[in-house]
Amino acid sequence: ETGVTQTPRHLVMGMTNKKSLKCEQHLGHNAMYWYKQSAKKPLELMFVYSLEERVENNSVPSRFSPECPNSSHLFLHLHTLQPEDSALYLCASSQDREKLFFGSGTQLSVL
Amino acid sequence: TQLLEQSPQFLSIQEGENLTVYCNSSSVFSSLQWYRQEPGEGPVLLVTVVTGGEVKKLKRLTFQFGDARKDSSLHITAAQPGDTGLYLCAGAGTASKLTFGTGTRLQVTL
Repeated sequence: ETGVTQTPRHLVMGMTNKKSLKCEQHLGHNAMYWYKQSAKKPLELMFVYSLEERVENNSVPSRFSPECPNSSHLFLHLHTLQPEDSALYLCASSQDREKLFFGSGTQLSVL
Repeated sequence: TQLLEQSPQFLSIQEGENLTVYCNSSSVFSSLQWYRQEPGEGPVLLVTVVTGGEVKKLKRLTFQFGDARKDSSLHITAAQPGDTGLYLCAGAGTASKLTFGTGTRLQVTL
């Protein structure tokens, strides 16, 4: 069993669709993160939740909406995305904002 | 804004060769982490260096943190195909906020 599990692994959606990415961590960590990984760009931090409270939101467009119902689960709700939002979306967890444990990511394609 | 530049961007070498990857910044970091990301997977932490001048070894991988804590290097001895992947450095700044580097994509062929 992997420490951080993301579903789905791949997602293709149209610009008018609504979808959600799911992340679950089995490590007992108290912080969870969403990162965006695009080609030729550094990993971009999108959101941080610490003890289920959103503590960082790095100027992410409102078409991305995170949800953290408990310390083990994190969602990223997507609606009316743009083609430039196509990327690998990575979830991570950590204990006390130290070293990150990443999931395998969701490869998102927006048509 | 803290930026971390990694060089080279791409590196293709044969099995058995040695290589060094660099991670440079004009900013000071409290610590620096190195991750490796294999195709289709998320990054996996390899090491954290904390003290200026610190050297850490992980089998054939040697990590060094610069004296001024602004740069770092990763040296791989006798590279193997299993070393193939994207190598990312990440510096920890204020409030433990991590800044990731631009990445070095390594391909090791037989």
